[in-house]
Amino acid sequence: EAGVTQFPSHSVIEKGQTVTLRCDPISGHDNLYWYRRVMGKEIKFLLHFVKESKQDESGMPNNRFLAERTGGTYSTLKVQPAELEDSGVYFCASSQGLGRGGTEAFFGQGTRLTVV
Amino acid sequence: QKEVEQNSGPLSVPEGAIASLNCTYSDRGSQSFFWYRQYSGKSPELIMFIYSNGDKEDGRFTAQLNKASQYVSLLIRDSQPSDSATYLCAVNGGGLSNDYKLSFGAGTTVTVRA
Repeated sequence: EAGVTQFPSHSVIEKGQTVTLRCDPISGHDNLYWYRRVMGKEIKFLLHFVKESKQDESGMPNNRFLAERTGGTYSTLKVQPAELEDSGVYFCASSQGLGRGGTEAFFGQGTRLTVV
Repeated sequence: QKEVEQNSGPLSVPEGAIASLNCTYSDRGSQSFFWYRQYSGKSPELIMFIYSNGDKEDGRFTAQLNKASQYVSLLIRDSQPSDSATYLCAVNGGGLSNDYKLSFGAGTTVTVRA
């Protein structure tokens, strides 16, 4: 069974440009999460989808970040326009349905974003 | 105050010894507790989860939870060089409260000396 996959693995963009990250969760997982680790900090929660709906987006830093999950399958995270402080590793994770077992999240390899 | 605290290490143990990792959390409402292992440049890999007070064993790994003390630990028995990695403690509110977002500690780096 394929795990969580993320594209691209690395991205280097200039300040002010737009970048779109993609995540394909484990098949059958309704829950999809985005997390971010900036240099020297802990991994921080960004948002949580249940199928195509945003369940919790309390961690999104500002309105330059837009996440979508069309049809409840893959998800994209767009940063527009990118700023220097957006640099970091963006992780996607997925978990099964609701209830206790639904909280066991499996992570993708991450996208390393560098804004210059 | 950080939500989840871990000693950053590095923790160096000889091969075959027990590695003991500690984690404390601030939110008393936390219900689910996880240990992830992360090799350099790789994704966090879920290795243990625990929901109830006490011990949970899985192979060479034992997770221990004490909700009254807001403390969770991970023991790695018979440590192997392949266990050298960063270990992340993570907690959330749990499925019953529909609080799935994980709060992570900074991670403890473990080095197993051959």
